[in-house]
This record gives sequence, structure tokens and C-alpha cells, in this order.
Amino acid sequence: NAGVTQTPKFQVLKTGQSMTLQCAQDMNHEYMSWYRQDPGMGLRLIHYSVGAGITDQGEVPNGYNVSRSTTEDFPLRLLSAAPSQTSVYFCASRAGAGGKRQPQHFGDGTRLSIL
Amino acid sequence: GENVEQHPSTLSVQEGDSAVIKCTYSDSASNYFPWYKQELGKRPQLIIDIRSNVGEKKDQRIAVTLNKTAKHFSLHITETQPEDSAVYFCAAIDVTTDSWGKLQFGAGTQVVVTP
Repeated sequence: NAGVTQTPKFQVLKTGQSMTLQCAQDMNHEYMSWYRQDPGMGLRLIHYSVGAGITDQGEVPNGYNVSRSTTEDFPLRLLSAAPSQTSVYFCASRAGAGGKRQPQHFGDGTRLSIL
Repeated sequence: GENVEQHPSTLSVQEGDSAVIKCTYSDSASNYFPWYKQELGKRPQLIIDIRSNVGEKKDQRIAVTLNKTAKHFSLHITETQPEDSAVYFCAAIDVTTDSWGKLQFGAGTQVVVTP
């Protein structure tokens, strides 16, 4: 059981380039989220999904797109990379609500640098 | 939406002493409060959580207390050890709604335990 898998682990881009950060989970979790982590600012929500075909914006969605065509995958797309998007990106997943304790599982992160 | 504030931002303690981190939240509907530990270069991992129908929860050297009236909750680490050095994040959410994907985190507390 791999849990939440993020690829790549490291990436360097030039300003204006586009790329997709991949996230896959094998726990059949309904909810998936993308966060960025910057020094002194904790984890900020970019986009999230409560199920296949359903996505919504978080706190800092500008410059990013997401889609959820399957339960397993939740890719994050940078349309035109900017230096302000240099950050560590975490994907997370959890099971649906249902009133039970359902912890959120994080991937190992993608460290992205925009030059 | 929910707003979570976390204090202090850094905390230095001598090995064996106790550490306390406090978080306040804004949405009185929040009813689930997890704490995550993130070691350097690693993913955040859930260490303890508490629901609003409980005032305190303990797990070995870690405890969390909740004051719903004042809308604050705290993490207590007793008999600190060097391996407790990490960044700790609090979060708050209303699990009865579909907002699970929007788990809001505090800005984090860097805990340094010195031998």
C-alpha cells in the first residue's frame, strides 16, 4: 500500500514554463487536496476535490489548475510558472466524512524552484 | 471561513522540560482539531487529534486540550526529547459539512529541544 505518491520530488523550471505535478493515492480516498508550504506561512490550500469530477478553489488558487477524472489521481498544473510559485507542494488525501475520525495522509512533497 | 492562529512561531526548550503550543480558531462550528508534526524535509504526519465533545486527550507524552468557549486548543509535550524537534501544525474544521477538503492549518511552531 503506497499511500499518497507525488512525482517528481524535485523540479526546476524557467519563468513562463508549464508543468504538471502528479499525485496518486491507492486508498480509494474521496477527498484530495493540494497545499503549498512556504517558510513561516504554514500549509496553504491551493485546490481540493471531494470526489471524481468535483474540484474547488482553496486559499491560493491563482496560477494553478486541477482536474479529478479518477478517484486515484489529482494532478496540479502550473500554467505559466512564476518565481512566486517557488515552494514545496504537498498533496493529501482522506476518506469521506461519515462522522468517523479520518486523518489526512500527505505525500512526500515536490520541491519546485522557478528561475 | 475558518481562520486558525498558532503561537508561538518558535519554541526552544531544554530536554526533559514541557512544551506548550496554543491555537485559536474563529469558526464556532469547528469540531475536529488535529495536530501534525513535520520533521525537516519530511511530510506532515498526524500525531494526535481531538473532537469537540472531549475536553482533553492524551497519548503517552502528548496531550491536547480544548476550550470551546474560548475557541482555543493546545498541544502539550511533556518530558521533551531531541526527537521532538520539528514543526508542529494545528488545524480546525467542521467535519459535519463537506468542507473536509478545506482543512485550515495554523502557521506552524518550530520546536527545538536542546540536550
